[in-house]
Amino acid sequence: QSALTQPASVSGSPGQSITVSCTGTSNDVGGYNYVSWYQQHPGRAPKLIIYDVTKRPSGVSNRFSGSKSGDTASLTISGLQAEDGADYYCSSYTSTNTLVFGGGTRLTVL
Amino acid sequence: QVQLQESGPGLVKPSQTLSLTCTVSGDSISSGYFWSWIRQPAGKGLEFIGRIYFTGNSNSNPSLKSRVTLSIDTSKNQFSLKLSSVTAADTAVYFCARDDWYAFDYWGQGALVTVYS
Repeated sequence: QSALTQPASVSGSPGQSITVSCTGTSNDVGGYNYVSWYQQHPGRAPKLIIYDVTKRPSGVSNRFSGSKSGDTASLTISGLQAEDGADYYCSSYTSTNTLVFGGGTRLTVL
Repeated sequence: QVQLQESGPGLVKPSQTLSLTCTVSGDSISSGYFWSWIRQPAGKGLEFIGRIYFTGNSNSNPSLKSRVTLSIDTSKNQFSLKLSSVTAADTAVYFCARDDWYAFDYWGQGALVTVYS
């Protein structure tokens, strides 16, 4: 199974909004509403910020939102803050009853 | 508060078996969640290894399935990973996580395992 496709990097200024894409196939992203997003700061474990495409765990800022269209899922961060600078990973359930991650996107807050 | 902690040898020789255990506190391992292993080579992305339910039902990444053994000990509230025939490509930080239908909501801090000769 191939990793989901994410841009290697994105950047934005404080207060702006950015969107990270995550492209798969009909066998993963396009076929199921089990897409999650994780935020990872250096040296730390990933943190779940979006699950089931659009849902936010308790305690996660509403500046983070998720969506999906066809085989591509997206994470949008609004009102960028310095602490949002991190690596972001998407993941999806797959038709082989397993899970695949994206390659990761590094967000730089300018 | 749910906490997970990985433990096991940090160094493994090529061709040998990597063994890690994850101890769960703040939740029962029989509570109805799956329990998963994920790894991350230095400077690289995340890779799903496999997941196990308290009944022993498990499934693994097809690319690793032939080398992965997952087990669970409900009496100790622990689950374990064995990865056989390791090579340098298996050097990574290994995370255990609680798996709420493929959304990992609680993670361990990670354990670095280095395959060296």
